[in-house]
Amino acid sequence: DAGVIQSPRHEVTEMGQEVTLRCKPISGHNSLFWYRQTMMRGLELLIYFNNNVPIDDSGMPEDRFSAKMPNASFSTLKIQPSEPRDSAVYFCASSLSSNSPLHFGNGTRLTVT
Amino acid sequence: AQSVTQLDSQVPVFEEAPVELRCNYSSSVSVYLFWYVQYPNQGLQLLLKYLSGSTLVKGINGFEAEFNKSQTSFHLRKPSVHISDTAEYFCAVSSQGGSEKLVFGKGTKLTVNP
Repeated sequence: DAGVIQSPRHEVTEMGQEVTLRCKPISGHNSLFWYRQTMMRGLELLIYFNNNVPIDDSGMPEDRFSAKMPNASFSTLKIQPSEPRDSAVYFCASSLSSNSPLHFGNGTRLTVT
Repeated sequence: AQSVTQLDSQVPVFEEAPVELRCNYSSSVSVYLFWYVQYPNQGLQLLLKYLSGSTLVKGINGFEAEFNKSQTSFHLRKPSVHISDTAEYFCAVSSQGGSEKLVFGKGTKLTVNP
């Protein structure tokens, strides 16, 4: 079990650039979650998918953020254009089912200058 | 809607001392409660969970937590901590038993000193 794999681990970009974060969930897990962690707000749920379908994206901050899950083994979170206030650690997590605990990846630390 | 309050943002203790990390929740419906641990530069890992049954829940690494409905608390305890327990600990609540709409507290940073 390789766990949830996120890439890149670190991303530094300039304001206005497009950023794409990637996630490979644990094989066989049906639910996938994107979280953002900051000192000020803690852990915030941005969006989650069930069987590749977005179920709740009410946590997505604004239209600059978008997430896709084209198949069961891959998801992306895109920010376009990026802003300095988007700087945070972004976590992807997956779970076997809606009643199972979350398994987190190691996160992507995003810095927007 | 649920909310979680972790009363202490930082808890320093000496090695082999007991520790309690406090967590209170607010909810108008029955809840399911979780503790997660985050080691530096890593994602969160599940320590333990309360879904139903015995109010005393045992988790990994010698941690346990007690669900107290009347006090709406779910405090995490360990009788003797190790240096390796230094990490950030997150309490979380869900009304649905699963991972959807899991609400996390702000976290408590536990530092174990020699």
